[in-house]
Amino acid sequence: AQTVTQSQPEMSVQEAETVTLSCTYDTSESDYYLFWYKQPPSRQMILVIRQEAYKQQNATENRFSVNFQKAAKSFSLKISDSQLGDAAMYFCAYRSTNSGGGADGLTFGKGTHLIIQP
Amino acid sequence: DAGITQSPRHKVTETGTPVTLRCHQTENHRYMYWYRQDPGHGLRLIHYSYGVKDTDKGEVSDGYSVSRSKTEDFLLTLESATSSQTSVYFCAITRTGASSGANVLTFGAGSRLTVL
Repeated sequence: AQTVTQSQPEMSVQEAETVTLSCTYDTSESDYYLFWYKQPPSRQMILVIRQEAYKQQNATENRFSVNFQKAAKSFSLKISDSQLGDAAMYFCAYRSTNSGGGADGLTFGKGTHLIIQP
Repeated sequence: DAGITQSPRHKVTETGTPVTLRCHQTENHRYMYWYRQDPGHGLRLIHYSYGVKDTDKGEVSDGYSVSRSKTEDFLLTLESATSSQTSVYFCAITRTGASSGANVLTFGAGSRLTVL
């Protein structure tokens, strides 16, 4: 079974600075998807960014980018120019492509609580 | 918004009582999921469905059952609620295929259940 590890329970960053959240995973598969989800105090789960393992290029979405190191099984999230609205729990998640269309859902890490200091 | 509605959004119940949470989707997606979220555990899969009357267990299925009699509705039932089932429950759906949104899980707003 796949596992996802987020080693930082909590991170703090000054507004406008850059912060990197770490995620490692364990899998024997060669093709899969990786995701970062954001959960603000409203509790809604919001997709931040996703990466297909077969793509070498790191995904980016505006101020959010990833550093995907397939051999190291590492998938970190970089947030540039941090804003107060970025304060949230961030979850890293893994999804196999071998589950016949996605029946197995996502495997999540335990989350990192990101605090933005004004 | 992927048209996912969870009900009820909040519920307080007593140990031993049955509880049913409902997930309703408006977009005819085949795959639906129930997760629970607890501090220090992230989200864990309870059950999932890959079509009408087609369901399977996830990581933490003990004490839970599900039913899907219509594409749009996925019900999660706690036959006899226990305090360990106090949690926030999330429903999710996913698209499959080659579209840009495929394989991304979209979540409902969550249902907070407290078992006293």
